[in-house]
Amino acid sequence: AQSVSQHNHHVILSEAASLELGCNYSYGGTVNLFWYVQYPGQHLQLLLKYFSGDPLVKGIKGFEAEFIKSKFSFNLRKPSVQWSDTAEYFCAVMRGNTGFQKLVFGTGTRLLVSP
Amino acid sequence: DVKVTQSSRYLVKRTGEKVFLECVQDMDHENMFWYRQDPGLGLRLIYFSYDVKMKEKGDIPEGYSVSREKKERFSLILESASTNQTSMYLCASSLAGGEVYSNQPQHFGDGTRLSIL
Repeated sequence: AQSVSQHNHHVILSEAASLELGCNYSYGGTVNLFWYVQYPGQHLQLLLKYFSGDPLVKGIKGFEAEFIKSKFSFNLRKPSVQWSDTAEYFCAVMRGNTGFQKLVFGTGTRLLVSP
Repeated sequence: DVKVTQSSRYLVKRTGEKVFLECVQDMDHENMFWYRQDPGLGLRLIYFSYDVKMKEKGDIPEGYSVSREKKERFSLILESASTNQTSMYLCASSLAGGEVYSNQPQHFGDGTRLSIL
């Protein structure tokens, strides 16, 4: 079965530190990749997505992610975090690009940024 | 902007009760989903629907059923609530994408935090 692994469950950083959150998936075929963010008390919102093309994807709020096919990874990065980035981050994978495919989520990473 | 509205933010029910969670989206999306979110487990798909009156089981459908009588509304039903169904429930919707593209992002509601006593 397809699975998505987020190895860091909790991350604590100081403001201005660099961030990298890991995401690995197990499916070997064509994939569509997503990062969602859930700020405290708010709904999940899409941070960025990868469908095809340039493997370096830029999203909102200065986030980016790199798709490395050989490593089955889609890690999320931000050069300098802010206190307002405190949230839970979910990686998600959708298999293939035709027909209906389910979105499979990782278990999430809670990020706490201290001022 | 897509709006997915869940009828309640917080709900408290008793074991054995029949519980209805309602979700409405305003963007004419074909696909709708119900997830539950638990600490350390992420989001797990309960049921989804890709058309009116159509429904498919997700990964954890046991103890739940759904109803989609209208395109904009997708209801989750706990037939006989149990304490292990205490959780955060999230509704989402997305465009169908059709045969060519299925990779449409899902849009989420604010969630319903359900407590079963």
